[in-house]
Formats: sequence, structure tokens, C-alpha cells
Amino acid sequence: EAGVAQSPRYKIIEKRQSVAFWCNPISGHATLYWYQQILGQGPKLLIQFQNNGVVDDSQLPKDRFSAERLKGVDSTLKIQPAKLEDSAVYLCASSLDRGSNEQFFGPGTRLTVL
Amino acid sequence: GEDVEQSLFLSVREGDSSVINCTYTDSSSTYLYWYKQEPGAGLQLLTYIFSNMDMKQDQRLTVLLNKKDKHLSLRIADTQTGDSAIYFCAEISNYGGATNKLIFGTGTLLAVQP
Repeated sequence: EAGVAQSPRYKIIEKRQSVAFWCNPISGHATLYWYQQILGQGPKLLIQFQNNGVVDDSQLPKDRFSAERLKGVDSTLKIQPAKLEDSAVYLCASSLDRGSNEQFFGPGTRLTVL
Repeated sequence: GEDVEQSLFLSVREGDSSVINCTYTDSSSTYLYWYKQEPGAGLQLLTYIFSNMDMKQDQRLTVLLNKKDKHLSLRIADTQTGDSAIYFCAEISNYGGATNKLIFGTGTLLAVQP
């Protein structure tokens, strides 16, 4: 079974630029999560989707971050404009359903904002 | 509120046992997890324990849960150099509700000396 795929793996941008990350969850997984992991910290949830609907985006900085999962499969996370403090690893995870207790993580995208 | 705490660093010799500790605050947590993160990689689910259990064993891994003290530990028997990584403790928030986000600790860096 293929795991969660993410791209790109690394991205370096200057502050005030825009960036987008892509995630393809495990086939058949209805629930998709985006987590932000700042260096030296544990991951923190940014947004959770159930199929193509948003379940929880309470921790998403909506003035600059946006995410979509239009067809309920893959998802994109965008930052516009980026700030220095957005430097982090962005992890995508998926689970079979929101009632599932197991979340499977992708390799992450490491973003550096200069 | 939700908070998960871990010690930052543990060093052991190859062949010894490692014990990584974690405390959490959400007494309603139904599942508690241990994830492993190797350099440049995503999070790998190692094991989890349901809150009505006090111990779970899986090959070299033993998880102990003390609900009264809200303390979770992960014991790795016969620690190998390949076990060197960051280990994250996590609790699931609002399991069975609208959302089920993971709340992670800051991670414990395990260094295994040959």
C-alpha cells in the first residue's frame, strides 16, 4: 500500500513570496490533516478535512494560509505572503475516517523562508 | 487545557534498555501514541495504547500507562543504533467527536552509543 505522498520535499523562498504544498493521502482515506512542525517542537494541527469539507481550521492563520481539498482526495496548502516564522516542516497525514484512531504521516515539506 | 510534556534528551548504550517518559493533561484522552521521527523523515507510528489499558507490549516495545498520574512511558529493550531518533508522545483530542487532532509533545531525542 502506498503511503502519504508530499511534494516538494524542500522549498526555499524569500519573505513575502507565495508557496504551495501538495499532499496525496493513502487511497481510500477520507480524513486529511495538515500539521506544522517548527524546529524543536512537536507537530501542531493546522487544518483537518473530512472528504472535501473542513472539519477544524481553528489553528490556521487565515490571513495568510489557505488549504483546499476540492475533490476529496489530494490537497494543497498555500502560504501567501510568507513570513520568516513560517519556516517549518509541513506534514500531511491521513486516516481512514475521522473515527479512526490511526493517522499516517507523509515525509513532509521543509520550508525555509529567508 | 491540552499539554503534553517530555524530557528533551536521552543517551543510552547499545544493548541497554531505554525508557522515554511523557506526561499529559487531558484526562479524557482515549488513545495515547508513540511516534518515531528519523532525520529528514516523517512520523512513523510505533505503537498506541487505549486508555483502559495499563500496559501494551509489542516485540521490543513496552508501553506503560498510569492514568492516575497521567504518565506514559515507552521502554525499548535491547536498544540498537537504528533506534536513534526523536520520539514523540501524543494524545488524541476529542476522539469520536467532530475532530480528532493529535496533540504532540516536544519530542525526546534518543542517542544510542555503540
